[in-house]
Amino acid sequence: QSVLTQSPSASGAPGQSVTISCSGSSSNFGRNAVIWYQQFPGTAPKHLIYSNDRRPSGVPDRFSGSKSGTSASLAISGLQSEDEADYYCAAWDDSLNAWVFGGGTKLTVL
Amino acid sequence: EVRLVESGGGLVKPGGSLRLSCEVSGLTFSNAWMTWVRQTPGKGLEWVGRIKSRIDGGTTEYAAPVKGRFSISRDDSKNILYLQMNSLKTEDTAVYFCSNLSPNWPHFWGQGTLVTVSS
Repeated sequence: QSVLTQSPSASGAPGQSVTISCSGSSSNFGRNAVIWYQQFPGTAPKHLIYSNDRRPSGVPDRFSGSKSGTSASLAISGLQSEDEADYYCAAWDDSLNAWVFGGGTKLTVL
Repeated sequence: EVRLVESGGGLVKPGGSLRLSCEVSGLTFSNAWMTWVRQTPGKGLEWVGRIKSRIDGGTTEYAAPVKGRFSISRDDSKNILYLQMNSLKTEDTAVYFCSNLSPNWPHFWGQGTLVTVSS
């Protein structure tokens, strides 16, 4: 059971928008920044969002992050087939003194 | 270009030991807080532990499942991060990634190295 809660799956048609949610608690999201990762099978995670809503260079602006209280979201607009991947949220947890991850959301582009 | 390259994975029997290495280039390694994360095949990501930079104390923190069995160290003169794994269990089977994971800055991950614990 992951400390951060994500829906196991999400889907959308090409060109549409989809939002992936992640639920945390006061000891992680309530105090610390959220990171979002994209992972393709057999590869390392690649961070899409850091510091709640910042994009590393090279990440398209179709990807955006937000945080409100103890919940965070990753929004993907203009879905493309190459967006089909697993997406994970993460944050430092002050109570556990550990990085915690969501269980991952598998995005299917229909 | 920032590169993190893990090595040292392999097949080990339960109760055995293994040391993983992570060679880092393209960033100021001595200033980086370095982290190990693992991923069980087909499953999600699990934090293993981290080591702070020497200037920030060089202290280590570990996840509960590995505390007392795993040890993280660093050689800033060689830009190498280590993960010493002792008393390995079958449930430690995973791909192990190193990263300069940070909540507030861009960061990078290695490609991972597979550790299989099996008799």
